[in-house]
Amino acid sequence: DAKTTQPPSMDCAEGRAANLPCNHSTISGNEYVYWYRQIHSQGPQYIIHGLKNNETNEMASLIITEDRKSSTLILPHATLRDTAVYYCIVRGPNDYKLSFGAGTTVTVRA
Amino acid sequence: GAGVSQSPRYKVAKRGQDVALRCDPISGHVSLFWYQQALGQGPEFLTYFQNEAQLDKSGLPSDRFFAERPEGSVSTLKIQRTQQEDSAVYLCASSLVDSYEQYFGPGTRLTVT
Repeated sequence: DAKTTQPPSMDCAEGRAANLPCNHSTISGNEYVYWYRQIHSQGPQYIIHGLKNNETNEMASLIITEDRKSSTLILPHATLRDTAVYYCIVRGPNDYKLSFGAGTTVTVRA
Repeated sequence: GAGVSQSPRYKVAKRGQDVALRCDPISGHVSLFWYQQALGQGPEFLTYFQNEAQLDKSGLPSDRFFAERPEGSVSTLKIQRTQQEDSAVYLCASSLVDSYEQYFGPGTRLTVT
């Protein structure tokens, strides 16, 4: 039973912002939204996570809607090295495992 | 600092052979996880250790799969009598404690011929 829905693929232009959507309409009040990405031939890499408030770090920003049923990961200035599969994961505070879906394949084009 | 390392990076096994995949987690990380990633799919959870204790092995696909972490550091995933459907990338991850961010190794790509 998938907890998140993401588009299978998207393209974006180098230097532009990339906005990656994720739907999680059945999220519970204490569940977090996590984002990981996986560059080709590498293991997944943690990007960011949030509960209710918007979050920003050196890699990206996470915008969570007020009803928490969806979120958007923003890569502010996409580079070719951001080409990867991006996974949106809903995770409870005591969940130890990560449940990956199929993710979104993001291709950054020059 | 050093991240999670896995060896070998690539392994080709003939059907029926036994294989052992090694994971060196980040020093001091209590939790260790194994995931299996089939081609074109997201990683799937296999098993979880807290120190040397295997607390969850619900994701292991069959009794041919066995994992250990005897001293609470290095872990080995062993697959006995490999089958073609075992072909996948096996990823190891570690975290400071179980609900924190997980740091992944590069994976071992296993091909069973």
